[in-house]
Amino acid sequence: GAVVSQHPSRVICKSGTSVKIECRSLDFQATTMFWYRQFPKKSLMLMATSNEGSKATYEQGVEKDKFLINHASLTLSTLTVTSAHPEDSSFYICSARDSGYHEQYFGPGTRLTVT
Amino acid sequence: AQSVSQHNHHVILSEAASLELGCNYSYGGTVNLFWYVQYPGQHLQLLLKYFSGDPLVKGIKGFEAEFIKSKFSFNLRKPSVQWSDTAEYFCAVSNFGNEKLTFGTGTRLTIIP
Repeated sequence: GAVVSQHPSRVICKSGTSVKIECRSLDFQATTMFWYRQFPKKSLMLMATSNEGSKATYEQGVEKDKFLINHASLTLSTLTVTSAHPEDSSFYICSARDSGYHEQYFGPGTRLTVT
Repeated sequence: AQSVSQHNHHVILSEAASLELGCNYSYGGTVNLFWYVQYPGQHLQLLLKYFSGDPLVKGIKGFEAEFIKSKFSFNLRKPSVQWSDTAEYFCAVSNFGNEKLTFGTGTRLTIIP
């Protein structure tokens, strides 16, 4: 089946620094990737939709200057949390949609802790 | 905006018991419906999906779900659960023509051997 990887799986950073999270589709091309945030005991909240070669579309309430998304190739999207603060601590999950299909394949997630 | 409700937050069952997890959505138009499972320490995996056709959908690992349009529901069922079914289950909905998924809050299923 289709595999999506994320790197790193876990990161701890200091307040004020930036962190980059990578999302890769390993065996298929993904014109569209999605970034979610999952709070403890809560659902996945869509942050943004990332389309290859164009600007990401952010959901209401998500700061595009804080959560920078780049989708430079059909297999890679990156999420950069800029000037991270403790309230940005969360579990970030990406998914990738196989071109031509409606199904999204999810990565294993990245646990971000900002101290 | 679409919203998805999963009323069962934590379900505890013994092995071989029957399972039904509820899922209701709000938008009344044409929708695509999904159930995802997240086993401990693993990523989300698709259990089953409904796009059109037979409202009774069969998925992997013996799971099935029934789409009842009049009730805006897509409940997940399994006739006999196993200990290995212990996981978090998420219902998700996308509006037809829109690939964005709206997730429910999830149901934690614990199976007692």
